[in-house]
Amino acid sequence: QKEVEQDPGPLSVPEGAIVSLNCTYSNSAFQYFMWYRQYSRKGPELLMYTYSSGNKEDGRFTAQVDKSSKYISLFIRDSQPSDSATYLCAQGAAGNKLTFGGGTRVLVKP
Amino acid sequence: DTAVSQTPKYLVTQMGNDKSIKCEQNLGHDTMYWYKQDSKKFLKIMFSYNNKELIINETVPNRFSPKSPDKAHLNLHINSLELGDSAVYFCASSPGTSGTDTQYFGPGTRLTVL
Repeated sequence: QKEVEQDPGPLSVPEGAIVSLNCTYSNSAFQYFMWYRQYSRKGPELLMYTYSSGNKEDGRFTAQVDKSSKYISLFIRDSQPSDSATYLCAQGAAGNKLTFGGGTRVLVKP
Repeated sequence: DTAVSQTPKYLVTQMGNDKSIKCEQNLGHDTMYWYKQDSKKFLKIMFSYNNKELIINETVPNRFSPKSPDKAHLNLHINSLELGDSAVYFCASSPGTSGTDTQYFGPGTRLTVL
């Protein structure tokens, strides 16, 4: 079992819809989570980070952690074609070692 | 004024060859990383250096050898290339090794081994 898992997709939604992305993690020792966005043929870029449980909002993006079920989520409101990318969740650990999920490809259709 | 740069962008080579990928960051960061992303987009850390000192060394064949001549540079040398080494290799940097330090990624080097 991989330490961080996510559905590879692709997830196709119409413009303006809410995109809902999920990851599960197995190691409860570390409670620092990130979402990275990766456009085709580019490097990943940090979208959001969150600690422990609860919600964090930044513009159209909301990150959520549910410690009890070891679930992390990212919601994108009012999705735009420019949101089409692969979204990678990651768990941070000692030494700033990041363990990534496999990424979910999202396609927002105009 | 690219923050994290890598050369070359593409590398096509034959099995058995030795090749190097270079990485430079101009962010003044202390920590640099090498990641491998396979064809299924799975991104896995290989190495990290903090102030030229090896911090993370994942289970990677010893054909892969990182070298950090200074804080701003981290190169990756690969000996005796194999087909399974084909992947995109990303360099990244962060201010330090705290779990809250954001990692900034380079554009990647696409390695194809024939």
